[in-house]
Amino acid sequence: GQNIDQPTEMTATEGAIVQINCTYQTSGFNGLFWYQQHAGEAPTFLSYNVLDGLEEKGRFSSFLSRSKGYSYLLLKELQMKDSASYLCAAPGGFQKLVFGTGTRLLVSP
Amino acid sequence: EAGVAQSPRYKIIEKRQSVAFWCNPISGHATLYWYQQILGQGPKLLIQFQNNGVVDDSQLPKDRFSAERLKGVDSTLKIQPAKLEDSAVYLCASSPLDRPDAEAFFGQGTRLTVV
Repeated sequence: GQNIDQPTEMTATEGAIVQINCTYQTSGFNGLFWYQQHAGEAPTFLSYNVLDGLEEKGRFSSFLSRSKGYSYLLLKELQMKDSASYLCAAPGGFQKLVFGTGTRLLVSP
Repeated sequence: EAGVAQSPRYKIIEKRQSVAFWCNPISGHATLYWYQQILGQGPKLLIQFQNNGVVDDSQLPKDRFSAERLKGVDSTLKIQPAKLEDSAVYLCASSPLDRPDAEAFFGQGTRLTVV
């Protein structure tokens, strides 16, 4: 089975850096996804990690440690438009995508 | 490339009524998912299809929910009879079959309110 944990809510100010953590327990590991979801909209893909380490993509980076069952999403130079929910998701089997509860990020001026 | 299409966008029904949602995935995507997202929570997987076969429906409340994907393309999700706790956004997503790292593409969802 799957168990995915994330903080419920985080706050940060514009221009700052924020790290959103995700811990997971899974019977089989096929990588870890991060999605962004603005209020009232559908989730959109941010990143996928299958190997340990940090992957950078512009202002967003994602880190994975398979031995620790741990990932984080790092957002730099925060902008107001980054206010959204960030969902950690792990495949529970081939392409069975299971989501955590999501972390709501509030960016203030 | 057209995205995942869902309809209707909004639906309000009374408890004990029935409702159906429709999803047309991205062309060529063999995997189709239905998720239920209650306000403030992450999406919960209800059912996963590969082509027209069910891969996982372990969290689908089968006494009231049903889903089909008869021709391996579009899909319908039905609730009969609806309960107040079914109020949620129902998201459809699709992804290619042959890539485990393939991202899922989501439709805009159907917001269901049961009164």
